Amino acid sequence: SQKIEQNSEALNIQEGKTATLTCNYTNYSPAYLQWYRQDPGRGPVFLLLIRENEKEKRKERLKVTFDTTLKQSLFHITASQPADSATYLCALGSAGGGNKLTFGTGTQLKVEL
Amino acid sequence: GAVVSQHPSWVICKSGTSVKIECRSLDFQATTMFWYRQFPKQSLMLMATSNEGSKATYEQGVEKDKFLINHASLTLSTLTVTSAHPEDSSFYICSAGGTSGGSTDTQYFGPGTRLTVL
Repeated sequence: SQKIEQNSEALNIQEGKTATLTCNYTNYSPAYLQWYRQDPGRGPVFLLLIRENEKEKRKERLKVTFDTTLKQSLFHITASQPADSATYLCALGSAGGGNKLTFGTGTQLKVEL
Repeated sequence: GAVVSQHPSWVICKSGTSVKIECRSLDFQATTMFWYRQFPKQSLMLMATSNEGSKATYEQGVEKDKFLINHASLTLSTLTVTSAHPEDSSFYICSAGGTSGGSTDTQYFGPGTRLTVL
């Protein structure tokens, strides 16, 4: 069955450092992968989309890589700030899937002063 | 742009009653809307996909007679939890897919509705 794994343990880092979050998947051939941010009691907020034929995408302090051979995506936040503290979700979509997304369980990031 | 609202943001009801949750795309037309449920510390689980003017497509294990979805217009979808029970207590989130200038593969999420069934 399809499985999407994200680190279940919270990631604590110091302000100014680079946070790296991992998303691994099995039994899936996604056409694209997305990263979302979710704050407690709120809906997810879209951050970045990367397609299967793309290796890397950047947006301001965010960078996403997508390795379809390793079946892995890495999500980086550079120069992290306490305001970046949230849960980050990866979601996979398939071609012809009607925009349906399958979400991972998310990784909680805490950026400390 | 690409704002999705949900109403109500939270609701408490007695067991056996029905609850309606509205999802609106405020500044774009959403041909497709999705309804998710999220339990504490768990991922978003897709319940159903609704397209404007047609019947919703439910995911396996989701009772269509219990979770009624109506997508009457390009800006409004509703989810009605019928005969709610305590195990239906959860965080319900809708999302809309559209062409607001971003990728058509992007979903824009509402703020969620916290349902508590006593």
